Amino acid sequence: DAGVTQSPTHLIKTRGQQVTLRCSPISGHKSVSWYQQVLGQGPQFIFQYYEKEERGRGNFPDRFSARQFPNYSSELNVNALLLGDSALYLCASSLEQESNQPQHFGDGTRLSIL
Amino acid sequence: GNSVTQMEGPVTLSEEAFLTINCTYTATGYPSLFWYVQYPGEGLQLLLKATKADDKGSNKGFEATYRKETTSFHLEKGSVQVSDSAVYFCALKRRRGGADGLTFGKGTHLIIQP
Repeated sequence: DAGVTQSPTHLIKTRGQQVTLRCSPISGHKSVSWYQQVLGQGPQFIFQYYEKEERGRGNFPDRFSARQFPNYSSELNVNALLLGDSALYLCASSLEQESNQPQHFGDGTRLSIL
Repeated sequence: GNSVTQMEGPVTLSEEAFLTINCTYTATGYPSLFWYVQYPGEGLQLLLKATKADDKGSNKGFEATYRKETTSFHLEKGSVQVSDSAVYFCALKRRRGGADGLTFGKGTHLIIQP
């Protein structure tokens, strides 16, 4: 079975632009979460979606938004990009949203802001 | 709030040495605990998990025991291999409705020399 897939793998943008990142969860997984991993740090939680609704949000500005589609895939949007948004963006899926369900990660999208 | 503290790296060991990576946490209630591993250029892979006190998670020769009294979840392996070289992340997830994301430590870079 395919794992979590993310696209694109790499992206270069300039300050002020907008970006959309995409994620397809493991088949049968209903929960999708997004994380930002700055170089040399652990991932930071951005959003969790379950059954197409936002169920959790980390400490990120309103420039960050996301949505989940009926097929459980998800998009992360970031507006008005800043240099500090340069990071690896990771998507993770799990069967349900409960705490004991392990999250399975994709390989991420490397976003570089010039 | 939630937090995870890991020992600073890099940790450099010789092949077949004994490994311990310390992890302590702060959280309300009884979170689920996880160890993830990240190889260069890849996303995170779940290594092992424990969901309640005194549980022992194990996988690929790695072990960690959920210690509520010391709020710790130290990762151990009896004999490391060069292929174990990677960055290891300790993480927790609270039980509160399952809507929180994972909280990660900063990661420990492990280097195994032949």
